[in-house]
Amino acid sequence: DAGVTQSPTHLIKTRGQQVTLRCSPKSGHDTVSWYQQALGQGPQFIFQYYEEEERQRGNFPDRFSGHQFPNYSSELNVNALLLGDSALYLCASSLVSGGQQETQYFGPGTRLLVL
Amino acid sequence: GNSVTQMEGPVTLSEEAFLTINCTYTATGYPSLFWYVQYPGEGLQLLLKATKADDKGSNKGFEATYRKETTSFHLEKGSVQVSDSAVYFCALSEEGFQKLVFGTGTRLLVSP
Repeated sequence: DAGVTQSPTHLIKTRGQQVTLRCSPKSGHDTVSWYQQALGQGPQFIFQYYEEEERQRGNFPDRFSGHQFPNYSSELNVNALLLGDSALYLCASSLVSGGQQETQYFGPGTRLLVL
Repeated sequence: GNSVTQMEGPVTLSEEAFLTINCTYTATGYPSLFWYVQYPGEGLQLLLKATKADDKGSNKGFEATYRKETTSFHLEKGSVQVSDSAVYFCALSEEGFQKLVFGTGTRLLVSP
């Protein structure tokens, strides 16, 4: 049973560029959440997608956007990259059951470096 | 808003020592509580969870009890191994398992 997968594993961009990160959820899961983890910090919630819609959003600017596809996979897009966007980006998947979201399981992350 | 506070690290122990990592939280309602572990260069792995007061989560020798009266969820292990060296994150989610709110993490270093 495949777990959560993310691509690419590492990425180097320059300021002002745009980046797209991808996530495939664990088999049977229908919800995807994205988190940003700066070096030495705990993950910070960016947003969550369910039924192809953004259901909840954290305190991140509109430069951060996302999408969920019919197969439940998801993309995170970041426009106009800043040096401060350098971080590990984590995707987590979960299942909505009985109207409630169950435990979130994380992928290995994509490490983004902005120069 | 909701928040999680963890003891600062690193926590340095010898193999077979007893481990406690403190975690306290602030939340409205009745959150679920989690411990995640992150090994070097990897993502987060769920270690254990508890969904209501007085529940005890346990896994791989680690335990934590949901204490509503003290708003705490301290992680314990009776005998640590070198392979337990990692960063441990305490987290909560609001009712309905919405977004996770994490602490800053505690690095554990276990020496032989």
